[in-house]
Amino acid sequence: DTAVSQTPKYLVTQMGNDKSIKCEQNLGHDTMYWYKQDSKKFLKIMFSYNNKELIINETVPNRFSPKSPDKAHLNLHINSLELGDSAVYFCASSPSHRGNYGYTFGSGTRLTVV
Amino acid sequence: GQQLNQSPQSMFIQEGEDVSMNCTSSSIFNTWLWYKQDPGEGPVLLIALYKAGELTSNGRLTAQFGITRKDSFLNISASIPSDVGIYFCAATPGGTSYGKLTFGQGTILTVHP
Repeated sequence: DTAVSQTPKYLVTQMGNDKSIKCEQNLGHDTMYWYKQDSKKFLKIMFSYNNKELIINETVPNRFSPKSPDKAHLNLHINSLELGDSAVYFCASSPSHRGNYGYTFGSGTRLTVV
Repeated sequence: GQQLNQSPQSMFIQEGEDVSMNCTSSSIFNTWLWYKQDPGEGPVLLIALYKAGELTSNGRLTAQFGITRKDSFLNISASIPSDVGIYFCAATPGGTSYGKLTFGQGTILTVHP
């Protein structure tokens, strides 16, 4: 039973399209995150939600909009996709946003914009 | 912004050799973490360090939280082929950082049988 599951695993789409990535965690964690891993494998935080409330919003284009319908789900919607959005997007969760807990990551969504 | 400088960027070793990698920062962090990422998967937590000077082991892995709180190292002893992957250090200031992790650039480890 996967702890943090993301769908789809692969996404190939044309520039200008709108797409969504879904994430669900069954760990009972309060906090969920979206990270972006670029072609050089660098991981950078994009967003964090704690109990459905946005608590971290890094410098990310407005075309990226996260949504958390409940604390077990965090989705990422991307409008007007650009070539530079191609990357691997990881969802993660942690027990709390306070304290220093390591995350549990999903297996990633590889987005390719052509 | 805060940055973690991880080295080396890559390592090519023979099975059975020991491996050492480290991470430094100009900023103080209150938690240091080491992750491993296999191809096509997300990073998996290996070791978490919560106290300056702390030395923690997990099987053949040993990691230390630097006394200045600005660095950490990870050692792998007697490497085996399944140790292949990308190793990341990560750290957080704690407190009101809201769980935000900063990651190092990663160390790509290749183990030759």
